[in-house]
Amino acid sequence: GAGVSQTPSNKVTEKGKYVELRCDPISGHTALYWYRQSLGQGPEFLIYFQGTGAADDSGLPNDRFFAVRPEGSVSTLKIQRTERGDSAVYLCASSLTLLGGNTEAFFGQGTRLTVV
Amino acid sequence: AQSVTQLDSHVSVSEGTPVLLRCNYSSSYSPSLFWYVQHPNKGLQLLLKYTSAATLVKGINGFEAEFKKSETSFHLTKPSAHMSDAAEYFCVVSDWEGAQKLVFGQGTRLTINP
Repeated sequence: GAGVSQTPSNKVTEKGKYVELRCDPISGHTALYWYRQSLGQGPEFLIYFQGTGAADDSGLPNDRFFAVRPEGSVSTLKIQRTERGDSAVYLCASSLTLLGGNTEAFFGQGTRLTVV
Repeated sequence: AQSVTQLDSHVSVSEGTPVLLRCNYSSSYSPSLFWYVQHPNKGLQLLLKYTSAATLVKGINGFEAEFKKSETSFHLTKPSAHMSDAAEYFCVVSDWEGAQKLVFGQGTRLTINP
């Protein structure tokens, strides 16, 4: 069944630690997107990939955030030296091709990151 | 830069009555506009999309939205609310049809009273 799968669903980490959030897109989807949703806000764009390359990373808030997609499928969002302000739900979406026309982005349920 | 303002953070209606969720947008180009719904513990789901083909857009589950360029609005409506419509709704804009970055509003929580 295959929708977009994100693991873990919940992650609690201590301030200063390193975390990795994983996204498994729908099989065959070439485009992959990461968003961050803070409490009471709408999702905010972080980065998107077309295949293996990051086509637009303009939404990453600072250099503590990094994302990879080495084989053009699974993606990992990496956050170094976590801060309490990084606490949010991190959403991943994938689409068959780049968005446009009838192409739709399908979202996962997100990873809730809590930094204590 | 594009932006979206959802005029109500919370809307409450009775089951069987009409729903109106209001959205205003700002964009430098010819935008694409979307409405997404987020049910608890579920992923965001696309309700409908406007891309300049027709100003009245019909979506899933009986929802529709009308693009009004003169008012820079894209309000979401449904003639008769159902209990299952209770969720968070997001109005979304992208600067042009091929833009990959979606800009979300802050969301409107819809409550349905029995």
